[in-house]
Amino acid sequence: EAQVTQNPRYLITVTGKKLTVTCSQNMNHEYMSWYRQDPGLGLRQIYYSMNVEVTDKGDVPEGYKVSRKEKRNFPLILESPSPNQTSLYFCASSLRLAGGPGNEQFFGPGTRLTVL
Amino acid sequence: AQSVAQPEDQVNVAEGNPLTVKCTYSVSGNPYLFWYVQYPNRGLQFLLKYITGDNLVKGSYGFEAEFNKSQTSFHLKKPSALVSDSALYFCAVRESGSSNTGKLIFGQGTTLQVKP
Repeated sequence: EAQVTQNPRYLITVTGKKLTVTCSQNMNHEYMSWYRQDPGLGLRQIYYSMNVEVTDKGDVPEGYKVSRKEKRNFPLILESPSPNQTSLYFCASSLRLAGGPGNEQFFGPGTRLTVL
Repeated sequence: AQSVAQPEDQVNVAEGNPLTVKCTYSVSGNPYLFWYVQYPNRGLQFLLKYITGDNLVKGSYGFEAEFNKSQTSFHLKKPSALVSDSALYFCAVRESGSSNTGKLIFGQGTTLQVKP
């Protein structure tokens, strides 16, 4: 089944304890992205990747890192989490960005993170 | 700046009646427009998109949307609502063009409640 998977789905952690949220897609998509969803603020892009070894900042990258060593994986790393990073995180991927078939983004199920 | 507005926080309709969920957008250049649906504790599911061509776009689960360039709108419609359509609906836009980051700008979401 074509899908975007994220792990863990739920995580409660403490301030400063490094964590990684994994994201994997099995559709051979070139483009991948991370968003966070917060009440009243909607979804905001954190980082994105056009392809392997090509990543760039979105609108809210502070406190996050990413890597894209393989096409299918795009982990989100919080080196020193803080309470303001408590949020619902979504990974997304698409085959391409240009117009036409395949430019819609498919989203993972989400990771609900609480930082105490 | 790019933006998306969903003017209604909630839309209530009776099962079997037609439904409309409104969306207006602001973007420089030609827009790519998308509708997503989010069920509780699930990720966003792609419903349909407008890239170019026909202003009436048909998507999953009997949904359709009409692109209106002069009114900068992309309203989601369905001729006959089902109780199972009850969910949170997001309109999203991104710019076409080679310099874009693939970032989707989301509206705040509209909760659709379909009553039996």
